[in-house]
This record gives sequence, C-alpha cells and structure tokens, in this order.
Amino acid sequence: DAKTTQPNSMESNEEEPVHLPCNHSTISGTDYIHWYRQLPSQGPEYVIHGLTSNVNNRMASLAIAEDRKSSTLILHRATLRDAAVYYCILKRRGSQGNLIFGKGTKLSVKP
Amino acid sequence: EPEVTQTPSHQVTQMGQEVILHCVPISNHLYFYWYRQILGQKVEFLVSFYNNEISEKSEIFDDQFSVERPDGSNFTLKIRSTKLEDSAMYFCASSGRGGQGNQPQHFGDGTRLSIL
Repeated sequence: DAKTTQPNSMESNEEEPVHLPCNHSTISGTDYIHWYRQLPSQGPEYVIHGLTSNVNNRMASLAIAEDRKSSTLILHRATLRDAAVYYCILKRRGSQGNLIFGKGTKLSVKP
Repeated sequence: EPEVTQTPSHQVTQMGQEVILHCVPISNHLYFYWYRQILGQKVEFLVSFYNNEISEKSEIFDDQFSVERPDGSNFTLKIRSTKLEDSAMYFCASSGRGGQGNQPQHFGDGTRLSIL
C-alpha cells in the first residue's frame, strides 16, 4: 500500500471547522483513501473513505484532489470529543487486508 | 449499532506464561484481524483471518502467536510463551463482505496486556 504524509499535530477551537490534510503522491488508481481516528484509550474508529469523488457522512466530509495526490478530512464543527489522532490510510481495491497505520495527526480541540 | 467486544480489558501475566485474548466480532462479518499498539507507538498489524484460515500475517506474528475461531462467534489470539516485549494494547477488528478495498474495519476497545 502506498505511503501517506500527515502533519504531526493540529489545533482547533471548539465549534470551528477543521481541515486535516493528507498527501499521497504515489497513490495508484486502485487505492481507496480511508480515514480512521483513535480517541484516547480507545481502539481506532472508522471515519470515512472515498475513491475519486468527495464524500460526506454523519461524522465528516472527505475532499479528494482532482489528481488524487492529496485529500482533506473536514470536521465541520469540532467538538471536544473530536480530539484524537487521525490516520489517513490507502487501501488497494480488491484487497481485504491489513491497515497500515502511520503516526497520524494529533488533533487538539480548545474550548 | 453492533460493535466488536474484547475481553478482558486488562490482562496481567507472568513472563513465560500463555495468554489468550478474546474477541467477539460483529456477527455478520467475515474478515477478522488482530493489531497491537505498544505504549506511545503506532498501531501495528499482526494477522488477518478469513474462511477459517490466516490470510495474511506480519513479521511480528511469529510461532509464539496463533489465532482461532473456535465457534461461530469468538475469535481468539493466543500467545504461547509471553515475553516482556509483548506488553501492549491488542485490538481486534472485523469487516464485512466485499473485497473491493472499501470495507471499513470495526475495532474493539482493546485488551491491555501487561507482562511482569
């Protein structure tokens, strides 16, 4: 699976939008872009995934660049509960295998 | 919402002893995984399991590790002779049908394994 690059940490204020970037310049045409997060003392939690088009769900939005070499996870209104480590992970189409976690981005949310 | 359940939440074991970690995946899922996370480090893949056999394993998953699905609901990780460096959080995960790379994995809250 191709490699992703994320900032080590980001800060946000409560109730403001947060844009978490991810670079994946070596992405292949068959790689899905997945986002997971890990709250303190919990297991990783699936957030969202996409292939080419932007995606929305109840937790977040995923904006994918036209060339697919980068993507952005958008939390529309950050809450204190959104403080977590966010991981951007590529998974090959046709693969049901393991997730390769990097260090992710540690998001801090200030009240 | 269905969830992955892991027991115990904390396991303390003497070095050299065997330990079994238990997981109940989401009931209609077909793919099962174990990951571990040493304190302060990244989440690392150990093994994936499908159709009653290991489909993929990492270098960490050596001969002291084994997995089993003894019945229709449980998925276990056994460490035969524990070492100090096995101390970590162990996460179980499961995912549903569909080999398109787009099936999310659902994780349990983990078992903290402490080797003394």
